[in-house]
Amino acid sequence: SQTIHQWPATLVQPVGSPLSLECTVEGTSNPNLYWYRQAAGRGLQLLFYSVGIGQISSEVPQNLSASRPQDRQFILSSKKLLLSDSGFYLCAWSVDLAGTGELFFGEGSRLTVL
Amino acid sequence: SQQGEEDPQALSIQEGENATMNCSYKTSINNLQWYRQNSGRGLVHLILIRSNEREKHSGRLRVTLDTSKKSSSLLITASRAADTASYFCATDGNKLVFGAGTILRVKS
Repeated sequence: SQTIHQWPATLVQPVGSPLSLECTVEGTSNPNLYWYRQAAGRGLQLLFYSVGIGQISSEVPQNLSASRPQDRQFILSSKKLLLSDSGFYLCAWSVDLAGTGELFFGEGSRLTVL
Repeated sequence: SQQGEEDPQALSIQEGENATMNCSYKTSINNLQWYRQNSGRGLVHLILIRSNEREKHSGRLRVTLDTSKKSSSLLITASRAADTASYFCATDGNKLVFGAGTILRVKS
């Protein structure tokens, strides 16, 4: 069966510090991978998606970046965090792109920037 | 921009009652999905309804879709305290776009 792992689960970082959130998927090959951000009490904002190794599409201009160094690994990074980067970050994968199928989510990483 | 918008923003009911949540969207879709999120957790897929379907059932869940009105509803029958969660609709558009969600609280 397929599983998705995200870490760390919780992170408190000072403004201006770097960020690295990691997501890995097991039990499937060539998944489509996504990073979403959820502000408190809000819906999900799609940040990045990837259809393959090294292929990253950005949905929202910001100081975050994403990379996919391996087929089942997706990393969200920042060189210098802003207060506005605080939120709940969710990684997800799917078989089908363009919302034609189900998304499978990780348990999320809660980032607090102070 | 968000495609789906859920209504109401929050809903509080007694255990055993039915809960109805609505979703409106703006552009044509191929399918609409509903997800559930327990507090501080990831989202879990509940049901997918295609644009050529009008109604779909899964256990205590009933989803309807009206493409002429660009709206969908999620009905949870005989609610339980464990149904307390946020519920999101998501439409495909270009990529899966989520609404802001309905917070459901079921009181025991």
